[in-house]
Amino acid sequence: EAGVVQSPRYKIIEKKQPVAFWCNPISGHNTLYWYLQNLGQGPELLIRYENEEAVDDSQLPKDRFSAERLKGVDSTLKIQPAELGDSAVYLCASSLVVGTANTGELFFGEGSRLTVL
Amino acid sequence: DQQVKQNSPSLSVQEGRISILNCDYTNSMFDYFLWYKKYPAEGPTFLISISSIKDKNEDGRFTVFLNKSAKHLSLHIVPSQPGDSAVYFCAALAGGTSYGKLTFGQGTILTVHP
Repeated sequence: EAGVVQSPRYKIIEKKQPVAFWCNPISGHNTLYWYLQNLGQGPELLIRYENEEAVDDSQLPKDRFSAERLKGVDSTLKIQPAELGDSAVYLCASSLVVGTANTGELFFGEGSRLTVL
Repeated sequence: DQQVKQNSPSLSVQEGRISILNCDYTNSMFDYFLWYKKYPAEGPTFLISISSIKDKNEDGRFTVFLNKSAKHLSLHIVPSQPGDSAVYFCAALAGGTSYGKLTFGQGTILTVHP
């Protein structure tokens, strides 16, 4: 079974440039997450989707970040314009949540490492 | 506001000995706890979990202990192996309005020496 696939793995851009990350979750998983991981820190949730609906985007800086999950499968996370402080690893994860049976067992992709110069 | 804290940034252990990784939390709404393991350049992978109605869960060499009154949990690895060297994240899941949101600690780097 294929895992969560993310691209690109690495991206280097200059500040004020736009950048986009793509995620393909595990087939059949209805819940998709974007996490931000700064160096030396644990992942922090940016946005969580249940199917197409963003059910928790309270941590997403909406002035420059946007995300979408069309057709409830793939998702993209966009930053425009990027700032120096956005340099981090952006992790995508997915899980299958049935009713209230959410045990938090997320499956993570390898991450997209962003460097903003 | 760090709701899940791993106060030891790193831990070094000899192969064959026990590794104990600790985690503290502040939010009483957390009712499910997990440990994730992360190798360099890879995403975190699920290791073991425990519900707040239990105080211990065991899976092979890995055991997680939960002390609700102290808001503390620990992961024991016995015996430790060099392949266990990785970053370990404690994470917690809350019910209620925060349902589905997994909150991670900062991580502890475990190094197991041969």
